[in-house]
Amino acid sequence: EVQLVESGGGLVQPGRSMKLSCAASGFTFSDYYMAWVRQAPKKGLEWVASISYEGSSTYYGDSVKGRFTISRDNAKSTLYLQMNSLRSEDTATYYCARLKLRYFDYWGQGVMVTVSS
Amino acid sequence: QITLTQQAESLWISPGERVSITCRASQSLLYTDGKHYLSWYQQRPGQTTKALIYHASVRTDGVPTRFIGSGSGTEFTLSIEHVQPEDFAIYYCLQTLKSPWTFGGGTKLELK
Repeated sequence: EVQLVESGGGLVQPGRSMKLSCAASGFTFSDYYMAWVRQAPKKGLEWVASISYEGSSTYYGDSVKGRFTISRDNAKSTLYLQMNSLRSEDTATYYCARLKLRYFDYWGQGVMVTVSS
Repeated sequence: QITLTQQAESLWISPGERVSITCRASQSLLYTDGKHYLSWYQQRPGQTTKALIYHASVRTDGVPTRFIGSGSGTEFTLSIEHVQPEDFAIYYCLQTLKSPWTFGGGTKLELK
């Protein structure tokens, strides 16, 4: 059974950093592109970033480019999102998702990130 | 960037009815491989987000046949025939033709 479990969220002050993790199981992690998607409270979904099989290629949404870094450790079957220079508008639930044929076929339950002083 | 518009924020329906949710793209989502890079997702409280349809019309594994994706170019529709109680949820379309990938604003199916 495919499982994606996010962790590392919480309350952080504006301008500070936070790193999210997503532990994957139930499939061969290195065989899939992976991604992060977020959802601000009471709002819609927003694609944040994607990463290729070995991590050599990364892609970012305009609102996080230059501040967030997506990475992966295939030996640990874990996806990461390093978030720097956080802003109040980054407050959201962050979902880890698996990519297949350029759609998100599995999603995690999400982890909440609150940026506030 | 490509904008996806889901005109209806909410749709009120009764169980057993048929409903159609539309998603309009600001440019064609047809790629040179002949596929439309448009997918549909369902969000229900307490559940993980579920992929329903990809390439505009292909159901994902295990999705009931009452969910039907259709459309081409810039106009797409997710239809649900004989709506079941568990179908009351929020539905999103997503384009992955061009970066940045973008979602529609979502359509909430509500009980009439």
